Amino acid sequence: QKEVEQNSGPLSVPEGAIASLNCTYSDRGSQSFFWYRQYSGKSPELIMSIYSNGDKEDGRFTAQLNKASQYVSLLIRDSQPSDSATYLCAVIGAAGNKLTFGGGTRVLVKP
Amino acid sequence: DGGITQSPKYLFRKEGQNVTLSCEQNLNHDAMYWYRQDPGQGLRLIYYSQIVNDFQKGDIAEGYSVSREKKESFPLTVTSAQKNPTAFYLCASSVPGQTYGYTFGSGTRLTVV
Repeated sequence: QKEVEQNSGPLSVPEGAIASLNCTYSDRGSQSFFWYRQYSGKSPELIMSIYSNGDKEDGRFTAQLNKASQYVSLLIRDSQPSDSATYLCAVIGAAGNKLTFGGGTRVLVKP
Repeated sequence: DGGITQSPKYLFRKEGQNVTLSCEQNLNHDAMYWYRQDPGQGLRLIYYSQIVNDFQKGDIAEGYSVSREKKESFPLTVTSAQKNPTAFYLCASSVPGQTYGYTFGSGTRLTVV
């Protein structure tokens, strides 16, 4: 079992719709959870972080964390063509010494 | 401006050669990391260092070596023992034990020719 798992996609959504991305993790003691956006050929860019159960909203992005079920999700509201990218879920585990990434979900927003 | 500088941006290597990728940061971060990314995949940890003169293997350390002689610098050597070195290499830094995300450099794309 991979430590952090995501559907690879592509997730195709029409412009203006909500994109919903999911991520599961195996280390029950994980402390911190992140979503990165990565455009093709570029380095990852941090867009959301979440540390406690529940929802966290920042602009058009909402991160949701459920530690009991060991999943974290990202919602992108009012999706724009510029949101087309790969979204990487990343987790700092119980040891707290490294960030582990999922394989990424490719999102395509169609005008 | 504070940040992480990786060089070169593109690197070509002949089979059997060792190459060294540079990573320099002026963020005063103690911890530094090297990740590898293959097409269509996530990032995999090669090596990390929490403090000067100390480093640990990550998940895919075979065929790679690092040094950490200065806080600001964490070079990665891709040796001839690495069988499939063609990939996108990313360097990152952080404050050890911190719970916010890492800062990444712009990456080096290595191609074996």
